[in-house]
Amino acid sequence: GQQLNQSPQSMFIQEGEDVSMNCTSSSIFNTWLWYKQDPGEGPVLLIALYKAGELTSNGRLTAQFGITRKDSFLNISASIPSDVGIYFCAGQGSAGNNRKLIWGLGTSLAVNP
Amino acid sequence: SAVISQKPSRDICQRGTSLTIQCQVDSQVTMMFWYRQQPGQSLTLIATANQGSEATYESGFVIDKFPISRPNLTFSTLTVSNMSPEDSSIYLCSVESHSYGYTFGSGTRLTVV
Repeated sequence: GQQLNQSPQSMFIQEGEDVSMNCTSSSIFNTWLWYKQDPGEGPVLLIALYKAGELTSNGRLTAQFGITRKDSFLNISASIPSDVGIYFCAGQGSAGNNRKLIWGLGTSLAVNP
Repeated sequence: SAVISQKPSRDICQRGTSLTIQCQVDSQVTMMFWYRQQPGQSLTLIATANQGSEATYESGFVIDKFPISRPNLTFSTLTVSNMSPEDSSIYLCSVESHSYGYTFGSGTRLTVV
């Protein structure tokens, strides 16, 4: 099935550093979602974006819905050890079959204390 | 967000047997979904569980292998039938609500030996 291009695939950073990851698509989406998955758990929604150009923050996390509606990024500022996990982007179209979530392959984040 | 209870959290099963996974939501939701996440991979939608009617399966998934029940708006089951080692994965229940978007259960980690 269709998948989003998510990069980078993995990151290994020092505590306190900022992190940036992004997703691109060949299709236009109406919604972009960013999830984090800890080991042994299901994905947890971090940020939801519903409008092109929208910039939304959730604590140290900031995400933007690209103006072309084909991309989104997630930034994490001042990383801490508990930020470790796998981050997934997901896009959703407008109606019918296009409302199914399309997923990125994930960005694995490791933080060195 | 909607609270999802998924059981069992993990199981080790013999090949050729079947396992039924339960998903209970603390509120009525219209849309319930079942996903598979193979080791180190992203999420793949198996099917949409429709209340009172047959589930809608994605390409590559069939009812005989993954029968799904949805007797009401708060409960669904997924059965993995005639299991083989290739079925070893994490299986995730997800719901979509108007208020909270997509929420996931903590998953069922299945190992087939």
